[in-house]
Amino acid sequence: AQSVTQLGSHVSVSEGALVLLRCNYSSSVPPYLFWYVQYPNQGLQLLLKYTSAATLVKGINGFEAEFKKSETSFHLTKPSAHMSDAAEYFCAVSVSSRTGTASKLTFGTGTRLQVTL
Amino acid sequence: GAGVSQSPSNKVTEKGKDVELRCDPISGHTALYWYRQSLGQGLEFLIYFQGNSAPDKSGLPSDRFSAERTGGSVSTLTIQRTQQEDSAVYLCASSLGGVLGEQYFGPGTRLTVT
Repeated sequence: AQSVTQLGSHVSVSEGALVLLRCNYSSSVPPYLFWYVQYPNQGLQLLLKYTSAATLVKGINGFEAEFKKSETSFHLTKPSAHMSDAAEYFCAVSVSSRTGTASKLTFGTGTRLQVTL
Repeated sequence: GAGVSQSPSNKVTEKGKDVELRCDPISGHTALYWYRQSLGQGLEFLIYFQGNSAPDKSGLPSDRFSAERTGGSVSTLTIQRTQQEDSAVYLCASSLGGVLGEQYFGPGTRLTVT
């Protein structure tokens, strides 16, 4: 069974500082990995996804993540934090259906990012 | 275009009552998913529908939970004899299907069982 673990339920950074949100996965097959963001009182929005085409994945809002098989990690980074980045971030792994026609997401427990002046 | 919509946005119900939560997916999306977000359990998968295939109900926590999708579009999640532990935000998502089909999430229904 696939799973993801997010280290750190809360992360606080200063505006302009590097953002690093950690995610480690466990999978018996090559995984498909995702990062979602949830702003207060809103639904989830896809930031980026790893599909095995490239290990460094660029997403929206300046975020990127690197897939490292040797470390079973898919950490999310952004070089310079902005106040608008304050939100909750979820790492997820896709579990394919038996027929491969759809998939369900298994989420990590989330990391709340706080950005301070 | 219109995104995934859910209704109601908030629902307060008494323990033991039945509730119905509605999801309108993005037009043309063949896959529809229900997830639950709660403080104690995080985000957890409940059920998904893909085209005319039998739904994957593996995430439903008990037989009090059921869902249907009519005409391949609108879906209703029903919780019978609600319990306080059912209090959560219920999220619906839809996608074009496939393993990598991006899931677009609705704003959720916040259910409070008193």
